[in-house]
Amino acid sequence: GENVEQHPSTLSVQEGDSAVIKCTYSDSASNYFPWYKQELGKGPQLIIDIRSNVGEKKDQRIAVTLNKTAKHFSLHITETQPEDSAVYFCAASRGSARQLTFGSGTQLTVLP
Amino acid sequence: NAGVTQTPKFQVLKTGQSMTLQCAQDMNHNSMYWYRQDPGMGLRLIYYSASEGTTDKGEVPNGYNVSRLNKREFSLRLESAAPSQTSVYFCASLTSGVSYEQYFGPGTRLTVT
Repeated sequence: GENVEQHPSTLSVQEGDSAVIKCTYSDSASNYFPWYKQELGKGPQLIIDIRSNVGEKKDQRIAVTLNKTAKHFSLHITETQPEDSAVYFCAASRGSARQLTFGSGTQLTVLP
Repeated sequence: NAGVTQTPKFQVLKTGQSMTLQCAQDMNHNSMYWYRQDPGMGLRLIYYSASEGTTDKGEVPNGYNVSRLNKREFSLRLESAAPSQTSVYFCASLTSGVSYEQYFGPGTRLTVT
């Protein structure tokens, strides 16, 4: 089955700096890669996703890049703000199966 | 719309006790999921239901059973709770159509002593 590895497990940045979280996946058939944000005491919420036919996708301060050859994808957050502090999860899926395999999560702390 | 709701929010069980975690969604989604979340391990799929009347095992199904009662409701049952089942449990539902976004409930924090 699919295996998703996520790094780093914790990340602290100064407010206004950029943050990068990286994930690798094992199943070359995976074609859908979402990122979820989980705030304390809440369920995860989708923040951005990318499909395998696209190399990069941006949404305001958030961007995701995908390298299919190397089987890795990354989340980039620019101009970080305190409200970006949360746990971020990457995931991978063979879209037709509609099941997600999650990475282990990254605790992002934005220091004021 | 309430989205995905879960009850209870917190539960403490003794080893060997049984309980059912309830999940309901009001978004008319076909697929529903149960995950458990443990520190450092992300979310692991326990069971899922692709549509009303069908259920399938996920990555960690042992010790659990599920029921897809109707399109809205998907319950998770622990027949004989064990300390290893101490975890936070999340229910999710999947949007229909070409999008693959899963909507998560607020979670149930379960402690088995």
